[in-house]
Amino acid sequence: QKEVEQNSGPLSVPEGAIASLNCTYSDRVSQSFFWYRQYSGKSPELIMSIYSNGDKEDGRFTAQLNKASQYVSLLIRDSQPSDSATYLCAVMAAGNKLTFGGGTRVLVKP
Amino acid sequence: EPEVTQTPSHQVTQMGQEVILRCVPISNHLYFYWYRQILGQKVEFLVSFYNNEISEKSEIFDDQFSVERPDGSNFTLKIRSTKLEDSAMYFCGGWVNTEAFFGQGTRLTVV
Repeated sequence: QKEVEQNSGPLSVPEGAIASLNCTYSDRVSQSFFWYRQYSGKSPELIMSIYSNGDKEDGRFTAQLNKASQYVSLLIRDSQPSDSATYLCAVMAAGNKLTFGGGTRVLVKP
Repeated sequence: EPEVTQTPSHQVTQMGQEVILRCVPISNHLYFYWYRQILGQKVEFLVSFYNNEISEKSEIFDDQFSVERPDGSNFTLKIRSTKLEDSAMYFCGGWVNTEAFFGQGTRLTVV
């Protein structure tokens, strides 16, 4: 059973601080990794994709991938109240099927 | 972000009835999929559809479910004889290059 694990939270961060989210996965042949943001009752919205070990930055978001440790993370800098949402980690191994983690709920407090 | 349109946004149905969820996927793309999310649970893969055929399906996607592309643009998920546990958000989507995008979802409530 291929698993993607995330701390469910909530992760409470003050406005302007850095939020750090973690995700581990079990399938070593996983090739592609994605972070989605999901507001309550809404669909997942793609934030970042990462395919190679190291860091990838896009605006206030940085994704980090370590395939040896089977670990992917997301940093949100200068957190805003509008960043309050559930963040889903998704992993793709063979084929085009995504396996999702349960999500980490982030609360940004003004 | 590429647009995927799903209708209806909310469907309420009686247990045992059939429902059809509709999706207009990303234009000119051949690879689409359906996922579902039961309230408070993970997003789960149901089925992928490539070039008008099912390419992969999960163990959830049993004989109760079917997918079609009836007119070359719309992409439908049919659920026969709905059960209470089919209540969930259903997301349609497609791949653009190497990234997966989702529609706004259909909330299905079985009563």
